[in-house]
Amino acid sequence: SQQGEEDPQALSIQEGENATMNCSYKTSINNLQWYRQNSGRGLVHLILIRSNEREKHSGRLRVTLDTSKKSSSLLITASRAADTASYFCATDQGNSGYSTLTFGKGTMLLVSP
Amino acid sequence: GAGVSQSPSNKVTEKGKDVELRCDPISGHTALYWYRQSLGQGLEFLIYFQGNSAPDKSGLPSDRFSAERTGGSVSTLTIQRTQQEDSAVYLCASSETGFTNYGYTFGSGTRLTVV
Repeated sequence: SQQGEEDPQALSIQEGENATMNCSYKTSINNLQWYRQNSGRGLVHLILIRSNEREKHSGRLRVTLDTSKKSSSLLITASRAADTASYFCATDQGNSGYSTLTFGKGTMLLVSP
Repeated sequence: GAGVSQSPSNKVTEKGKDVELRCDPISGHTALYWYRQSLGQGLEFLIYFQGNSAPDKSGLPSDRFSAERTGGSVSTLTIQRTQQEDSAVYLCASSETGFTNYGYTFGSGTRLTVV
């Protein structure tokens, strides 16, 4: 079943603008991760934020986590055409000695030159 | 290996035939995962391996689907008597441990088309 739900489903912006994607989830988590997928193939891990963290940065990426609202956002600053991809949030709810990631349906980002 | 390798990258098969999809994880990664992604959809969890055992097979959609992992390394996902609804990209991922703290490394997937 889907745990994370991304919003919006699709986003179209110009190069240089910022892109914000949101993710909501239903149950408590250990951590939340964001992945990028180009051309419907393999996913690339971007960033992980733990449940006791509120904000994390990595290069042009900024992730926030609000566990009270069960939501996260991914901000890409100064976007480039190469950022065009689908972005997925994934949540880890494991509590039984191992854990697996549950992925949302993704946000498709188009960055135009 | 340097990354997660999946083969074949594309597979077209006739309805009713059996197919085998292969995943070669990063050397030393004990955890291996199979996911399925239908067109325009998110990833659907299929099965998780820790070493050669599968503590979580809860995502396998029917008994036509099976998977094994040998030597704590290569995994094979087998779909018997394929149906058109099995058409999807099958993604394999591996991680150092059975916990997600380091994220997953994905292969490029196998695009399965059942005609």
